[in-house]
Amino acid sequence: NAGVTQTPKFRVLKTGQSMTLLCAQDMNHEYMYWYRQDPGMGLRLIHYSVGEGTTAKGEVPDGYNVSRLKKQNFLLGLESAAPSQTSVYFCASSWQAGADTGELFFGEGSRLTVL
Amino acid sequence: GEDVEQSLFLSVREGDSSVINCTYTDSSSTYLYWYKQEPGAGLQLLTYIFSNMDMKQDQRLTVLLNKKDKHLSLRIADTQTGDSAIYFCAETVSSQGNLIFGKGTKLSVKP
Repeated sequence: NAGVTQTPKFRVLKTGQSMTLLCAQDMNHEYMYWYRQDPGMGLRLIHYSVGEGTTAKGEVPDGYNVSRLKKQNFLLGLESAAPSQTSVYFCASSWQAGADTGELFFGEGSRLTVL
Repeated sequence: GEDVEQSLFLSVREGDSSVINCTYTDSSSTYLYWYKQEPGAGLQLLTYIFSNMDMKQDQRLTVLLNKKDKHLSLRIADTQTGDSAIYFCAETVSSQGNLIFGKGTKLSVKP
């Protein structure tokens, strides 16, 4: 059981380049999330999805886009990378708010550096 | 808006007890959580407490919840070097299951 898998795990970009982070979960979870983690800032929610075909903005959505075309996948896109987007990105999933404890299952993280 | 506050660092000696404190703002949170993050890894749920409970004990872990003061604490008994990690307090703030995380407390355990 793989849980939540993120690819790639590391990436270096130049300012202005684009890229997509892929998150895949095999737990049939309805909800998926993208967070970024920065030193001294904790985790901040970028975008989330409450089901296939749905997306919503989180706390820090600017500069990012997401898509949830398949229930098991949640993609995070950077159209024009900026140095401020240097961070560690975490994907998480959960079953359904209200149906259980609401535990989030996290991937191992994707470390992105923008030069 | 919603906020979760916790101290950034805690240093203890091996064998001592560790207490990590957290304050939160949303009194309607159904669950409150403690997540653990080891170096280079994602977060893993350590324990949680339902909002109608005052205390929860799980082996070396004790969670205390004071709803009046919106204060949550995590006590680790007999702290070991393997407990060195960052501990995040989190609360549920919406029907979509979003969690608001504190900035994390880095626990360092000295032998």
